[in-house]
Amino acid sequence: IQMTQSPSSLSASVGDTVTITCRPSQAIDNYLDWYQQKPGKAPKSLIWTASNLRSGVPSRFRGAGSGTYFTLIITNLQPEDFATYYCQQYYGYPYTFGQGTKLEMK
Amino acid sequence: QVLLEESGGGVVQPGKSLTISCVVSGFTFSGYAMHWVRQAPGKGLEWVAFISNDGVRKYYTDSVKGRFSISRDNSKSTLFLQMNSLRIDDTAVYYCLRGPQDYWGQGTLVSVSS
Repeated sequence: IQMTQSPSSLSASVGDTVTITCRPSQAIDNYLDWYQQKPGKAPKSLIWTASNLRSGVPSRFRGAGSGTYFTLIITNLQPEDFATYYCQQYYGYPYTFGQGTKLEMK
Repeated sequence: QVLLEESGGGVVQPGKSLTISCVVSGFTFSGYAMHWVRQAPGKGLEWVAFISNDGVRKYYTDSVKGRFSISRDNSKSTLFLQMNSLRIDDTAVYYCLRGPQDYWGQGTLVSVSS
């Protein structure tokens, strides 16, 4: 299953709202996770099963979608949110990731 | 506190073998499936392999099938990835993950170079 994530990069300011999209090449129900990765660090799980926030993740992160269209929306961007974000499907093996979205400060 | 700690990475020549490990603590290892995910320098994430909690079911990404083998020792709370016939494009940081993909280790760097 190919995962098409867009945009590949994004510039925004503190306080902005941004949306990242992920489109699998076939329907995957809601078997999709979102991860955040900062330079030199391991990825951190943000959202599981498309819309469930992991414990400790701020509520400004929201995931939505099912089937072949998913979104990660970050509202009221904070300085610590500037990072790279990945989606991943786990509907079937091999699991596959999107190519990543680098969120940079404008 | 859930912890996953990879080890065993290093520099290895093309065609050679290497086994990396992941020791876990803070949860009942035998109750969880586990994964390996890798990241080549400056690149995105690539899922590599899965093993069920009992070690029976195993899955691999196509590029490592027949070369890599995932295994586990539940008595030692340790996950392994045996990598044979290593290629330059296997160079990456290798992460171990707990089954629900909620916890990641910090990674171990495998560098394949002549």
